[in-house]
Amino acid sequence: QQPVQSPQAVILREGEDAVINCSSSKALYSVHWYRQKHGEAPVFLMILLKGGEQKGHEKISASFNEKKQQSSLYLTASQLSYSGTYFCGTLLSGTYKYIFGTGTRLKVLA
Amino acid sequence: DVKVTQSSRYLVKRTGEKVFLECVQDMDHENMFWYRQDPGLGLRLIYFSYDVKMKEKGDIPEGYSVSREKKERFSLILESASTNQTSMYLCASRVDKYTSPSNEQFFGPGTRLTVL
Repeated sequence: QQPVQSPQAVILREGEDAVINCSSSKALYSVHWYRQKHGEAPVFLMILLKGGEQKGHEKISASFNEKKQQSSLYLTASQLSYSGTYFCGTLLSGTYKYIFGTGTRLKVLA
Repeated sequence: DVKVTQSSRYLVKRTGEKVFLECVQDMDHENMFWYRQDPGLGLRLIYFSYDVKMKEKGDIPEGYSVSREKKERFSLILESASTNQTSMYLCASRVDKYTSPSNEQFFGPGTRLTVL
């Protein structure tokens, strides 16, 4: 039931791009993305509510394909501050049950 | 400023002990959640509560119970701690009266529990 994220881990140099995918076996009606820095709590980045919708947060954007039950997070021209673990999260439709994906560890090197 | 607090950042217990993890939020949120975080497994939902005294099992409830006597407080109880419950435990809250998909979660700082 837990959404699966890929890749599990990625290492980048500053300025490189990355894509993180979130795939669900259940229908997705919304997707939230969070970032967790080492030793800290996860922090909300953005929400996507409609199929095909794209949103942006500085140089981080995301897309949501409702039909494919997938969302992708795009990190452009990565900075050292982007390092952390990224999670997708979603509320199961018609319930209060909120679940997260398996997580992707991202490390940006100077 | 929204705030979710957890009673301890680090906790060390012995096998068989009863363990209480406390979580308090000051945002008047209806929903509260307990997750455990393990490397490679992401955040897995243990239990959640959508109202006072209301609770539902998450995906991994075995070995845990919860209590929500007041809206702002949600407790996770390990009845008899075991070594496989060594983990990071995260509490979260969320405003949601009508199962709206729009609202994000707010997390506490986490409790690193070690069971020896």
